[in-house]
Amino acid sequence: ETVLTQSPATLSLSPGERATLSCRASQNVNNYLNWYQQKPGQAPRLLIYDVSNRATGIPARFSGSGSGTDFTLTISSLEPEDFAVYYCQQRGDWPPITFGQGTRLEI
Amino acid sequence: EVQLVESGGGLVQPGGSLRLSCAASGFAFSIYEMNWVRQAPGKGLEWVSYMNSGDTIYYADSVKGRFTISRDNVKDLLYLQMNSLRVEDTAIYYCARDQYFGYWGQGIRVTVSA
Repeated sequence: ETVLTQSPATLSLSPGERATLSCRASQNVNNYLNWYQQKPGQAPRLLIYDVSNRATGIPARFSGSGSGTDFTLTISSLEPEDFAVYYCQQRGDWPPITFGQGTRLEI
Repeated sequence: EVQLVESGGGLVQPGGSLRLSCAASGFAFSIYEMNWVRQAPGKGLEWVSYMNSGDTIYYADSVKGRFTISRDNVKDLLYLQMNSLRVEDTAIYYCARDQYFGYWGQGIRVTVSA
């Protein structure tokens, strides 16, 4: 099973700042790495698929990068609505499909 | 508009059963891969099961042998039959569409407690 480790667990920033979230896989996931945003009481929402492709309707301030086992989600300039929990997920080595434990982005 | 709506959750005793449904609309359900994902209270996301448009099915080890995924491509419904439920199965259960989990339902709460 491929384990995804996200860091940091919590990231405290202010609106307008740049956020950098990390996801490290225990083995190569062949770039099948996605990112999701979840706000309290809501279902997760797909942000980025296959490392660097923004999903429909996702603002350009969200970007993804990386390869192999190390991946990054960057939010270039935080908006108030971006404060949420972010999960990475892989299906490069599955089943099982696995998620990281999440990074909480807080003000 | 793509919509996924889960139903069938509730409170059940350990060892009991529930069947969750996910009603799909706004897309050609029969050709899409579908998944179930759960989230225990205050915890992260856990993939539960996958079914493609054919007969390929996978389960997480934590539910293998107890849960069964199925679909009705005429009624545009995805199911999760959950047997031998345990306290640790308590969670919000989501259905999610396609290989990217591009669309999610609103989730349905399942509570396993005596």
